[in-house]
Amino acid sequence: QKEVEQNSGPLSVPEGAIASLNCTYSDRGSQSFFWYRQYSGKSPELIMFIYSNGDKEDGRFTAQLNKASQYVSLLIRDSQPSDSATYLCAVNRFGNEKLTFGTGTRLTIIP
Amino acid sequence: GAVVSQHPSRVICKSGTSVKIECRSLDFQATTMFWYRQFPKQSLMLMATSNEGSKATYEQGVEKDKFLINHASLTLSTLTVTSAHPEDSSFYICSARDAGVTDTQYFGPGTRLTVL
Repeated sequence: QKEVEQNSGPLSVPEGAIASLNCTYSDRGSQSFFWYRQYSGKSPELIMFIYSNGDKEDGRFTAQLNKASQYVSLLIRDSQPSDSATYLCAVNRFGNEKLTFGTGTRLTIIP
Repeated sequence: GAVVSQHPSRVICKSGTSVKIECRSLDFQATTMFWYRQFPKQSLMLMATSNEGSKATYEQGVEKDKFLINHASLTLSTLTVTSAHPEDSSFYICSARDAGVTDTQYFGPGTRLTVL
């Protein structure tokens, strides 16, 4: 079992709809959860981080964390073509600095 | 805030030469920096963790004598690819840990290395 699992996609979503990206993790000691966006040929860019159970909203993005289910998700509202990218889920423990990445979900927003 | 720079952004070199890549945290101090490699259409692969003032910790399978890492200050880490060969051609990305409130890693823009 991979430590951090994501559906590789591609996930196709119509422009203006909600894109839902999911991530599960195996280490129950994980405390910090991150979503990065990576455009083709570019380096990852931090979108959001979340530490506590529940929802965290930032503009069109909402991160959702459920530690009991070991599940973290990212919702993108009013999807735009510029949101087309690979989204990477990453986790780590406090005091353990290394991030464990999922393989990423490729998202395509269809105009 | 939380800006990380890398230099150079792109380098082409001949086989057998050494290439140095710099990673700088511009607006925060980074006691820890990380070096990743990414081949086309593949996942990020962590190569090593670099702590200021101490030896880097390399991931399994990464040759420490081939990929020399120096983290001499709180804002600068360097990766030197020694005696580069075509199979070392890749996208090298550093990240820096901002250990403040967010305890978050921020990535540099990456260095594309092509070895002829």
